[in-house]
Amino acid sequence: EDKVVQSPLSLVVHEGDTVTLNCSYEVTNFRSLLWYKQEKKAPTFLFMLTSSGIEKKSGRLSSILDKKELFSILNITATQTGDSAVYLCAVGRGGTASKLTFGTGTRLQVTL
Amino acid sequence: GAVVSQHPSWVICKSGTSVKIECRSLDFQATTMFWYRQFPKQSLMLMATSNEGSKATYEQGVEKDKFLINHASLTLSTLTVTSAHPEDSSFYICSARVGDSSYNEQFFGPGTRLTVL
Repeated sequence: EDKVVQSPLSLVVHEGDTVTLNCSYEVTNFRSLLWYKQEKKAPTFLFMLTSSGIEKKSGRLSSILDKKELFSILNITATQTGDSAVYLCAVGRGGTASKLTFGTGTRLQVTL
Repeated sequence: GAVVSQHPSWVICKSGTSVKIECRSLDFQATTMFWYRQFPKQSLMLMATSNEGSKATYEQGVEKDKFLINHASLTLSTLTVTSAHPEDSSFYICSARVGDSSYNEQFFGPGTRLTVL
């Protein structure tokens, strides 16, 4: 059975701090790992990673995948209160189904 | 691009009634759409994969006769919760896969919050 584990489950930081969110996985026929941000509604897409060692960056957010050790990290630098959300990691299999298996998420709260 | 809409945003209904939720891809064609359910403070659980022009594929433990899925066109999939009961109250989210992307990228609709009294 596919498994995606995120850590920590929840954290609170002060504005300006840097955070690292972790995602480890066990999946048959791995194809891609995706990060999403979920505020009050549905998840919004952040990154898709398919290759090891190549960092993807968007503003203050960055992410990297390690396919040998089966994990990914999401970094957020200079956090702002608007970064408060649940961050979801999902892993996709190869094949026509293209289903995603989601982790339970990391709830990030950024305080002033 | 890659915008997905859902309707309604939230719905309250009486126990025993049926509720239909629509999922539309607004600026692209989606041969495959997915339906998820999310309970409070939990992650997304895939319910079924909806394929245009064919029967949906349901995940283990999801009742096909209770959650009817119809994907009649390349831009519309519907989920009907039949004879809804309070335990069906949840946040239902659809997503659509862009084209023939083999890398699993999915874009999500804004979700529908269902409350069954």
